[in-house]
Amino acid sequence: AQKITQTQPGMFVQEKEAVTLDCTYDTSDQSYGLFWYKQPSSGEMIFLIYQGSYDEQNATEGRYSLNFQKARKSANLVISASQLGDSAMYFCAMREGPNNDMRFGAGTRLTVKP
Amino acid sequence: DADVTQTPRNRITKTGKRIMLECSQTKGHDRMYWYRQDPGLGLRLIYYSFDVKDINKGEISDGYSVSRQAQAKFSLSLESAIPNQTALYFCATTSSMGLSTGELFFGEGSRLTVL
Repeated sequence: AQKITQTQPGMFVQEKEAVTLDCTYDTSDQSYGLFWYKQPSSGEMIFLIYQGSYDEQNATEGRYSLNFQKARKSANLVISASQLGDSAMYFCAMREGPNNDMRFGAGTRLTVKP
Repeated sequence: DADVTQTPRNRITKTGKRIMLECSQTKGHDRMYWYRQDPGLGLRLIYYSFDVKDINKGEISDGYSVSRQAQAKFSLSLESAIPNQTALYFCATTSSMGLSTGELFFGEGSRLTVL
């Protein structure tokens, strides 16, 4: 069964606007970690933000925030004031279980329009 | 220099050939991983290693093998490459300290094409 689901294969946003990228996850563990990575066209994987399952506050890192809704098992990424350089693939990921290996969603390709 | 280095960065090979992708890291991490990325499928875990003597299969280990030669080195082998192993391969590392909080640090990727 898919552990991480990203339902938006592609998204468009106007420059300077905010955008939300959806992510839902499936786990029976109480302790887990949620991550977002950015992959620009150059291919490297860039860590953006982390949310722990016990964290009561939503994580924020600059223009990135994670809208964590534990009961709904969702961990949406919000990018405020989009910039052209935000155009990239975005992956949601989760670490859980005794081995704590990280599993990824299929990704969302974000295009920022000028 | 990158903390996680993959070689080669690009490789084109033929069906049936043996291929090795190498990964070395200077972060001092104990855990190392190999993922492959395919369009529409995200990153899928091939193998992972918690230390030199601990190797584990991931979601899609068939057709692959690995070797952890030292704490800093983790190589991925395709014994007999086939076209559907054409993909972008990533090596990643993390520390076992604070497991669920630690992000993975990725290499720059190795693009493999099997003709």
